[in-house]
Order: sequence, then structure tokens, then C-alpha cells
Amino acid sequence: SQTIHQWPATLVQPVGSPLSLECTVEGTSNPNLYWYRQAAGRGLQLLFYSVGIGQISSEVPQNLSASRPQDRQFILSSKKLLLSDSGFYLCAQDQGGTYEQYFGPGTRLTVT
Amino acid sequence: AQTVTQSQPEMSVQEAETVTLSCTYDTSESDYYLFWYKQPPSRQMILVIRQEAYKQQNATENRFSVNFQKAAKSFSLKISDSQLGDAAMYFCAYRKNSGGSNYKLTFGKGTLLTVNP
Repeated sequence: SQTIHQWPATLVQPVGSPLSLECTVEGTSNPNLYWYRQAAGRGLQLLFYSVGIGQISSEVPQNLSASRPQDRQFILSSKKLLLSDSGFYLCAQDQGGTYEQYFGPGTRLTVT
Repeated sequence: AQTVTQSQPEMSVQEAETVTLSCTYDTSESDYYLFWYKQPPSRQMILVIRQEAYKQQNATENRFSVNFQKAAKSFSLKISDSQLGDAAMYFCAYRKNSGGSNYKLTFGKGTLLTVNP
């Protein structure tokens, strides 16, 4: 079965500092990968998705970026964090042709 | 654009009782999927149940079942014999069957379910 790892689990960063969140997937190949953000008291907002290595689509313009250097690795980055970047970041995956998305454990980011 | 609305920010139920969480959605598509996800205090998102829009039969997974009313664009979740472990935030989600590779999920804002012993 598929397993999604996210690292780190918790992160506190000052405004203006860089960011790198990592998501890795086990037990599957060529998954579709997604980054979502969940702000307090809200649902999930899709940030980026990727259907293959090097293929990134952005849903919401912002100071974040994503990369997919390997088939089962998805990275969320920022050069300079804003206070508004605080939230809970979830990585998800699905296989083309199936319907459900499965989520990783998430990273709680606090920008101070 | 598709929207998903959960009109109940919070619900509570007594242990062993039944509770129904509401969800409505807006779409012009005819082929789509609907999901209920559970997010316990650990914040791990867990898939509870899914429904294909082309299926008239309501989906059931053990104590969880849905009431899917396509014409009314309604998709409610019923939890029977509620257990303390059911306490969580529940999210309704929609996904268009676009035939492409991006299976974007659109989420509602969630319903916080409390289970009282």
C-alpha cells in the first residue's frame, strides 16, 4: 500500500526566511502529487499539483513554488516567507485512473 | 467554478447514537465524484467514503453511509452507532471526472463532530 512521508512535522520560521518542505511517496510509481494548505478553521486549498517529474502546475499565485525532482518526491519551497504562509501543509497522491487522494501526515508551519 | 458547502460548522452526538452531516455542492458537470474525509486531532486526512455520481445506489462503509441526491446536489454523511473515535473534523469534497490527470479536489470548510460519552 502507498505511504506518504512529510518532513518536517513542525516548523517555526521567521518572516523573510526560506522554506523547504518535503514529501516522499512509497509503494507506488508515477503518482499524481498535490500540495494543499489548510489555514485555521478552513478547508483545504490546493496550491500545486504534478503529474510527472518536472511537471508542476500552480493553482494559486503566491510566493511559494514547487518542484518534483524525482518520481516520488515533491518539494514545496519559498525564498522569503510571509506571515500569511503560516498553516498546515498537506501532501497528497493519487494514481491516474483511480479516484481517491491519499494524504500524508502534514507539516505545521508557523511564520513569526 | 465548483463549490462545496457544509452548513454545520459544529455537530454533537451521543455515543451509540446516529448523526447526519450535511453537504451541498454546485457544479454544471454530470460526471463527478464526492468524498467524505475525516480529520482527527492528529490532522491526518482519512478517506471515509466515496460516491460516484453515475451510481444511484448510496455508498456504505460499515457504520458510515451517504444520502446522495444528485438533482438536489446534496451529499450527506450518516454515522451510525457513533463511537468516541469518530470525533473529528469532517470534510466533504468534490472531484470532477475530467478524464485528464489532475484530479483536483474541492473541499468544504468542514464540520467539527463531537461525540459525548
